[in-house]
Amino acid sequence: DQQVKQNSPSLSVQEGRISILNCDYTNSMFDYFLWYKKYPAEGPTFLISISSIKDKNEDGRFTVFLNKSAKHLSLHIVPSQPGDSAVYFCAARANTGNQFYFGTGTSLTVIP
Amino acid sequence: EPEVTQTPSHQVTQMGQEVILRCVPISNHLYFYWYRQILGQKVEFLVSFYNNEISEKSEIFDDQFSVERPDGSNFTLKIRSTKLEDSAMYFCASTPRTGFTHTQYFGPGTRLTVL
Repeated sequence: DQQVKQNSPSLSVQEGRISILNCDYTNSMFDYFLWYKKYPAEGPTFLISISSIKDKNEDGRFTVFLNKSAKHLSLHIVPSQPGDSAVYFCAARANTGNQFYFGTGTSLTVIP
Repeated sequence: EPEVTQTPSHQVTQMGQEVILRCVPISNHLYFYWYRQILGQKVEFLVSFYNNEISEKSEIFDDQFSVERPDGSNFTLKIRSTKLEDSAMYFCASTPRTGFTHTQYFGPGTRLTVL
């Protein structure tokens, strides 16, 4: 039962260009969405979040877009830097509790 | 900057043995969680803990699992009789007392290998 899906297991982008990571979800009860970044041998690190009442949240180079009607969110990184190379997880929380559901992750490689 | 710590970083055990994974959440945090990630798969929620009791658990968190906050700083996950399929990375996480309670701060994980 995969309620949060990241259909692209990997993505390669040139340094300076935009990286777009996508995430789809099925549960309309999700009220909060988050992106985490994970380096090898480390735990996920919170990156940016968005409430279901918004459609965009921006923090520096990172912007998250939410399209509720399509049950889709995306993370834009611009400009991409080599240090952004990591696995990015999309996660969501249902308004019925405090459980978080994660996608399978997208491995981003930013090529210098 | 405060961080969540986990020990050990790697635990190797024989099938059927009990293991205890330890976590020290950030001190003023409110909720505590355990997740696991089987190699190559998604991060899966196991359990959340609030006010000294389990608040939610997934279907993975069966009778062989238990959690405890024995002393106000440590948060432990016990697996009573390990199986081969318990081999995974186990992550502890906590959320702040104030501010973004929906934001979780993760520890570096414990890699559990069951032989």
